[in-house]
Amino acid sequence: EDQVTQSPEALRLQEGESSSLNCSYTVSGLRGLFWYRQDPGKGPEFLFTLYSAGEEKEKERLKATLTKKESFLHITAPKPEDSATYLCAVQEVRSGNTGKLIFGQGTTLQVKP
Amino acid sequence: GAVVSQHPSWVICKSGTSVKIECRSLDFQATTMFWYRQFPKQSLMLMATSNEGSKATYEQGVEKDKFLINHASLTLSTLTVTSAHPEDSSFYICSARPPQVVGNEQFFGPGTRLTVL
Repeated sequence: EDQVTQSPEALRLQEGESSSLNCSYTVSGLRGLFWYRQDPGKGPEFLFTLYSAGEEKEKERLKATLTKKESFLHITAPKPEDSATYLCAVQEVRSGNTGKLIFGQGTTLQVKP
Repeated sequence: GAVVSQHPSWVICKSGTSVKIECRSLDFQATTMFWYRQFPKQSLMLMATSNEGSKATYEQGVEKDKFLINHASLTLSTLTVTSAHPEDSSFYICSARPPQVVGNEQFFGPGTRLTVL
């Protein structure tokens, strides 16, 4: 069964304490892997798209990497404003051009000052 | 660019009534929009894919007669929850994929909180 699993479920960090969030996936063929940030009561905000193993993308304190089985979202020297739920989603090759995304359960990050 | 809006942002209704939620792409045309449902502390579950000018494609287990989707134009899709019941209370989020985006990114609306009493 196709699956997207994120870990940990929740993460508490002190401001400046770097860490990584994990997204592991089992799909028949990966068309793309997406990271989103979601604040409480709001819709997800797009962060990154990764397409092939070895690819990396950065945005401010965030860096996303991709292997054949998992993706990591590295957070360097986080600030309290980075507190949010981070969602990982995958798009399968067999979904064609439908755009259908399969979401993980998310990691809720809390950064304390 | 790539802004998606939803209206209303929240709605409270009585059991048995119908509620309509609008999703608009503000600065691009979207032939395809997506409707998701999110329960507290859970992730997004795709309900249906809305196609402009044709019938929506529903995910397994989603009642098409209960969740009516109409994609009337290239910038507007509506979700109508018919005969709503308390178990339909949830956070409904739409998304759209701009045609000019090189990748397959979807951009999400701010969501609509539905509470059925």
